[in-house]
Amino acid sequence: SQQGEEDPQALSIQEGENATMNCSYKTSINNLQWYRQNSGRGLVHLILIRSNEREKHSGRLRVTLDTSKKSSSLLITASRAADTASYFCATVASGGYQKVTFGTGTKLQVIP
Amino acid sequence: DGGITQSPKYLFRKEGQNVTLSCEQNLNHDAMYWYRQDPGQGLRLIYYSQIVNDFQKGDIAEGYSVSREKKESFPLTVTSAQKNPTAFYLCASSGYRGLSYEQYFGPGTRLTVT
Repeated sequence: SQQGEEDPQALSIQEGENATMNCSYKTSINNLQWYRQNSGRGLVHLILIRSNEREKHSGRLRVTLDTSKKSSSLLITASRAADTASYFCATVASGGYQKVTFGTGTKLQVIP
Repeated sequence: DGGITQSPKYLFRKEGQNVTLSCEQNLNHDAMYWYRQDPGQGLRLIYYSQIVNDFQKGDIAEGYSVSREKKESFPLTVTSAQKNPTAFYLCASSGYRGLSYEQYFGPGTRLTVT
């Protein structure tokens, strides 16, 4: 099964609203990353949060990490139609190899 | 410009043929990865490599093979043993630049086998 599971699977909001996506994982991690994918394209790295960090900001993005609950959330504030994409969380396991494991993704639609 | 290139963008093959997908990076990253993505699905790890001449199976390695003879290159061969090869294939690389961790994806190769 996937290391990361995103919730919800799909989300539809009006432009200007905030969008929140959640990710849960199962094993100890070194860091957690969020990616964006436009339809049929490669993935774009958005933000990385290390296991000893609790919150990180980048522009309109805010990521939180709760290692005790093995969960993370991605908040996109003041959404725009151009934010329409699929968003994936990915985890890098603790120790040894930098194996990156992806979740199933949240499909976000921002309606103008 | 630094980055990852994958070629070709679209690839069509007949069933029973092996096919090799190219992935090249000039980011000086040690680690490279191959993922498969099916429509509406997340990414599943096929193989990954931390250093030259070493690679590890991911979650769905059956029917695939890789090599890592050079740091810059990590080609993936989809063999005739892969039961459902039609998919979107993404290559990625990762590494530290100073204290910052980077991971980049290539644009992907869409493989169709008929």
